[in-house]
Amino acid sequence: EVQLLESGGGLVQPGGSLRLSCAASGFIFSTYAMTWVRQAPGKGLEWVSVISGSGDTTYNADSVQGRFTISRDNSKNTLYLQMNSLRAEDTAIYYCAKVSGDACYYPIHYWGQGTLVTVSS
Amino acid sequence: DIVMTQSPDSLAVSLGERATINCKSSQNVLYSSNNKNYLTWHQQKPGQPPKVLINWASTRESGVPDRFSGSGSGTDFTLTISSLQAEDVAVYYCQQHYSTPFTFGPGTKVDIK
Repeated sequence: EVQLLESGGGLVQPGGSLRLSCAASGFIFSTYAMTWVRQAPGKGLEWVSVISGSGDTTYNADSVQGRFTISRDNSKNTLYLQMNSLRAEDTAIYYCAKVSGDACYYPIHYWGQGTLVTVSS
Repeated sequence: DIVMTQSPDSLAVSLGERATINCKSSQNVLYSSNNKNYLTWHQQKPGQPPKVLINWASTRESGVPDRFSGSGSGTDFTLTISSLQAEDVAVYYCQQHYSTPFTFGPGTKVDIK
């Protein structure tokens, strides 16, 4: 059974940093791309970043380019999102999701439960 | 960027009746080399994370009831719930994964009339 468990969310001041983790189990982690999607309170879904199964290809949304970095450790079956220079508009639930293939352009196949990030002074 | 639009914003349907949601992309999301539409439908029930219903515009995910179906190609897509059940109350999103950023539609809220 696929399981995705996000952690690392919390309250952070504007300009601060946070690193989210997503622990994966139930599948061969290194053979699937992974993605982060966020949802601001009461709003719709916003795609953030995607990384290939090997980790050698990544893409980011313009809204986070230069501030957020997606990465993965295939030896630990864990996906990360390093978030720097956080802004109030980054406040959201952050979901990690498994993609259905090893390349970034495959569709999302399974969603995690999400972790809440609040950026406020 | 590819802009995804959905219509209607919300709809209320009687139990057992059909619900139809439309999704339109500002650019073609049909990849000619494999003849696949890079379009996914997601369902998000209140207080829950999203769940994938349909990939490649018309392929139901494992375990998804067959009352859910997807159709369309190119730039125009439809999600149909053939016989609405109480547990289908949710917001439904379309998403393209043809080109980055992999944009979502604004969502369509489905309620019981």
